[in-house]
Amino acid sequence: QKEVEQNSGPLSVPEGAIASLNCTYSDRGSQSFFWYRQYSGKSPELIMFIYSNGDKEDGRFTAQLNKASQYVSLLIRDSQPSDSATYLCAVVWGYFGNEKLTFGTGTRLTIIP
Amino acid sequence: EPEVTQTPSHQVTQMGQEVILRCVPISNHLYFYWYRQILGQKVEFLVSFYNNEISEKSEIFDDQFSVERPDGSNFTLKIRSTKLEDSAMYFCACTGDTEAFFGQGTRLTVV
Repeated sequence: QKEVEQNSGPLSVPEGAIASLNCTYSDRGSQSFFWYRQYSGKSPELIMFIYSNGDKEDGRFTAQLNKASQYVSLLIRDSQPSDSATYLCAVVWGYFGNEKLTFGTGTRLTIIP
Repeated sequence: EPEVTQTPSHQVTQMGQEVILRCVPISNHLYFYWYRQILGQKVEFLVSFYNNEISEKSEIFDDQFSVERPDGSNFTLKIRSTKLEDSAMYFCACTGDTEAFFGQGTRLTVV
């Protein structure tokens, strides 16, 4: 059974600080890793994806992947109240053409003004 | 920016009734998916669809569920005889080269 684990939170971070969100996955055969943001009652919205070990930066967001430790994280710099949402980690194990996402339960992040 | 469109946004149906949820994927995307999210729970994969046939389905996707692409643009999910536990948000998604883009979802309420 392929699993994706996240701390459900809630995680509270002061405005302007760095929010750190973590995710672990069960199977070394995983291919791709995605971070989605989901506001209450809305659909998942892609923030960024990462395939290779190391860091990937996009604006205020940095994804970090460590395949040896089966660990992926998301850092949000200069946190804003609008960043308050549930952050979903998702992993792809499927072959090309069948790239289904397996989601974690999500971490609820609250940015405190 | 291209987007995935789902209709209706909210559907209320009586237990035992059939429902059809509709999706218009991004036009040049080739792989289509349905996911569901029961309130307060994780997003769960239902089915993937490629080249006009199902690629994979989860254990949730039993004989009560079916998918089709009737006209080359729409992508539908049918639930033949709804149960109370089918109440959830249903998301359509599609992929081109890499990441999956999600529609805004259909909230299905079975009463």
